[in-house]
Amino acid sequence: AQSVTQPDIHITVSEGASLELRCNYSYGATPYLFWYVQSPGQGLQLLLKYFSGDTLVQGIKGFEAEFKRSQSSFNLRKPSVHWSDAAEYFCAVGALTGRRALTFGSGTRLQVQP
Amino acid sequence: DTAVSQTPKYLVTQMGNDKSIKCEQNLGHDTMYWYKQDSKKFLKIMFSYNNKELIINETVPNRFSPKSPDKAHLNLHINSLELGDSAVYFCASSQVQGSTEAFFGQGTRLTVV
Repeated sequence: AQSVTQPDIHITVSEGASLELRCNYSYGATPYLFWYVQSPGQGLQLLLKYFSGDTLVQGIKGFEAEFKRSQSSFNLRKPSVHWSDAAEYFCAVGALTGRRALTFGSGTRLQVQP
Repeated sequence: DTAVSQTPKYLVTQMGNDKSIKCEQNLGHDTMYWYKQDSKKFLKIMFSYNNKELIINETVPNRFSPKSPDKAHLNLHINSLELGDSAVYFCASSQVQGSTEAFFGQGTRLTVV
């Protein structure tokens, strides 16, 4: 069964600082990996996704993530955080076989200090 | 044009009532889902339909019954509501089950009092 771990429940960074949110997954085959963002009272918006190919993927809003098979990780990064990035971030794994719905991590809440 | 829309956005109801949440997608996707987000923000799949056929039915009380009249709609009916049903319910759709990104609705915040 697939699973996702986001070890950081809450992260606070200063505006303009760099950001890295951690995500580790467990899946027997090549996973499909996603990062979603949820602003307060809103739905989930896809930031970026990895299916295959280049392990460094670019997303919207200046975010990027790197797939590292050896570490079973898919960490999200942003070089300079803006106050509007404050939100809840979810890592998710999907698959073509077996249990096909997305499995989400528990989320990381990002707070941005001025 | 909203891709995945669900109504209502907020729902406050008393214990024991029956309520429905509606979801529609205009993306032409074949697969639709219901997810539940609890008070700790944890998201968990409840149901998945592919072309009106039930594909995933997680361990959900049978008071919850999804209905898909066509592949663009997936409604969620809940009977005999309980306090523990209070959560945010998200509808989502994707083109191929699990392998492409899911597009989410804005969520329905259900509060049972």
